[in-house]
Amino acid sequence: SQKIEQNSEALNIQEGKTATLTCNYTNYSPAYLQWYRQDPGRGPVFLLLIRENEKEKRKERLKVTFDTTLKQSLFHITASQPADSATYLCALTDSWGKLQFGAGTQVVVTP
Amino acid sequence: DAMVIQNPRYQVTQFGKPVTLSCSQTLNHNVMYWYQQKSSQAPKLLFHYYDKDFNNEADTPDNFQSRRPNTSFCFLDIRSPGLGDAAMYLCATRSPGQGNQPQHFGDGTRLSIL
Repeated sequence: SQKIEQNSEALNIQEGKTATLTCNYTNYSPAYLQWYRQDPGRGPVFLLLIRENEKEKRKERLKVTFDTTLKQSLFHITASQPADSATYLCALTDSWGKLQFGAGTQVVVTP
Repeated sequence: DAMVIQNPRYQVTQFGKPVTLSCSQTLNHNVMYWYQQKSSQAPKLLFHYYDKDFNNEADTPDNFQSRRPNTSFCFLDIRSPGLGDAAMYLCATRSPGQGNQPQHFGDGTRLSIL
């Protein structure tokens, strides 16, 4: 069966450092991979999308890589700020736009 | 601002008492989704609409139903809620086209069962 794994332990990081999150998957060939941010009691908010034939995508302080051979995506937040504290969800997407989410990794940025 | 609005934000119902959750959107997206998310878990897709075409996930319980009377509104009906149905219910929309369009989520309805 399809499986998406994100680190369930919270990532505690000091302000200004780079946070790196991992998303691994098995038994799936996604057309796209998306990252969302979710704050407590709120819905997920879209951050970045990367296609299967792209290696890397950047948006401001965010960077996503996608390795379809390793079946892994890395999500980086550079120069992290306390406002970046949230849970980050990766989601595999088929060509019809149907999302399958991971459980997310909580990031805590301390001043 | 164009958005996805879910009402109510918090809903309490009794075991076995039918409940309806609502979602409206001003994005004019033709694809709408309902997800169930339990604490510290991944959002789980229940069903989605492509226009009026309804698509049920294979493992969605039978007591979950949905209605979409028009593009803007979508409802989730839980006919006989059990304690295991306590969760956050998220509505999302997406513009048409291939899967390279992001989904836009509402802030959810947190359902509690007494």
